[in-house]
Amino acid sequence: AQSVAQPEDQVNVAEGNPLTVKCTYSVSGNPYLFWYVQYPNRGLQFLLKYITGDNLVKGSYGFEAEFNKSQTSFHLKKPSALVSDSALYFCAVSDIGFQKLVFGTGTRLLVSP
Amino acid sequence: DGGITQSPKYLFRKEGQNVTLSCEQNLNHDAMYWYRQDPGQGLRLIYYSQIVNDFQKGDIAEGYSVSREKKESFPLTVTSAQKNPTAFYLCASSTSGREHQPQHFGDGTRLSIL
Repeated sequence: AQSVAQPEDQVNVAEGNPLTVKCTYSVSGNPYLFWYVQYPNRGLQFLLKYITGDNLVKGSYGFEAEFNKSQTSFHLKKPSALVSDSALYFCAVSDIGFQKLVFGTGTRLLVSP
Repeated sequence: DGGITQSPKYLFRKEGQNVTLSCEQNLNHDAMYWYRQDPGQGLRLIYYSQIVNDFQKGDIAEGYSVSREKKESFPLTVTSAQKNPTAFYLCASSTSGREHQPQHFGDGTRLSIL
């Protein structure tokens, strides 16, 4: 069965510093991986996805993610954090042939001024 | 402006009552989804539909029902059989049910018990 784990409930970082939000996955075949962001009382917004190809994926708002097959990880990164990046971040995975997305439990990112 | 509209934003349910959450999209998407979000548990899939007049149960379908009579609309009914309905409900859609298509989300309905 597909699954995804976000090991940190919260990540704290100072504005201007680089940030990383971790995600590991488990699928039976090749994965399709996604990152979403959620602001308070709002729906999820799509940030980026990995389908195939380059292991470094670039997305919206300056975010990028690094796919590592040997470590089954898909960590979200940004070189310089902004206070406005403070939100709840979800990693999700789908397996080839499956229409369902499986979401992680979310990581709250808090960027301090 | 294309998007997904969920209504109402807040909803209160009395004991023994069925309530219906609305989800409308004007993105011309074929696939639609309903998720339940509880604190610390991420999103869990309730039902999904890949085409009009067809839908499948997700991981937590018990106590819920849906219909898909129009491409644009995918209402969710929370029945009295759902004993713990308090949650944030999110509707989503995608261009198809294909696994690589990102899903677009509405802004949710927060359901509480009176």
